[in-house]
Amino acid sequence: DAKTTQPNSMESNEEEPVHLPCNHSTISGTDYIHWYRQLPSQGPEYVIHGLTSNVNNRMASLAIAEDRKSSTLILHRATLRDAAVYYCILRDENSGGSNYKLTFGKGTLLTVNP
Amino acid sequence: DGGITQSPKYLFRKEGQNVTLSCEQNLNHDAMYWYRQDPGQGLRLIYYSQIVNDFQKGDIAEGYSVSREKKESFPLTVTSAQKNPTAFYLCASNLGGLGSGEQYFGPGTRLTVT
Repeated sequence: DAKTTQPNSMESNEEEPVHLPCNHSTISGTDYIHWYRQLPSQGPEYVIHGLTSNVNNRMASLAIAEDRKSSTLILHRATLRDAAVYYCILRDENSGGSNYKLTFGKGTLLTVNP
Repeated sequence: DGGITQSPKYLFRKEGQNVTLSCEQNLNHDAMYWYRQDPGQGLRLIYYSQIVNDFQKGDIAEGYSVSREKKESFPLTVTSAQKNPTAFYLCASNLGGLGSGEQYFGPGTRLTVT
């Protein structure tokens, strides 16, 4: 499986934008980029995913580099409730079997200061 | 409301006892998964099932067993053979099949074995 690299931690202030980076230099053409987040003592929650084009939803935006070797999750206005561990995951959507699983690394711990 | 339920939230057992963790979903999803999370770590896949009456080992299946007799249920048994069973256990589901995208997680069960 192609791997991702994320900073261990980041800090932000409330109501400011947050840019969470993810490097995935060995990404394959059929790998989708998924982002999940996990609040303390809860199960992970889907945030967003994309293949090549930038994506927006009610939670966040995903900016994908032209060469697809990196991506950035953008929280437009951080709130205290956004404090969580954010996971960047690659998943091959064109394969079956065990490729349906998500491989979680340690993610980025985001701290939001009031 | 559709979703995934796990029970109980906290579970305590003595060493040497088998224990079964419950996972139920009413999302009509074909695929279900069990993950384990240790403090400060990402999630690791234990078992997954793409369809009723079928399941496959994940990355750390030793000491665990599962069954998938009904579409909505995927119980996990932590056996006495599991050397370090104390962990946070997470169940997830998704539609399964190609391009199935988002995975939905339950709230987790925190198991403590002493």
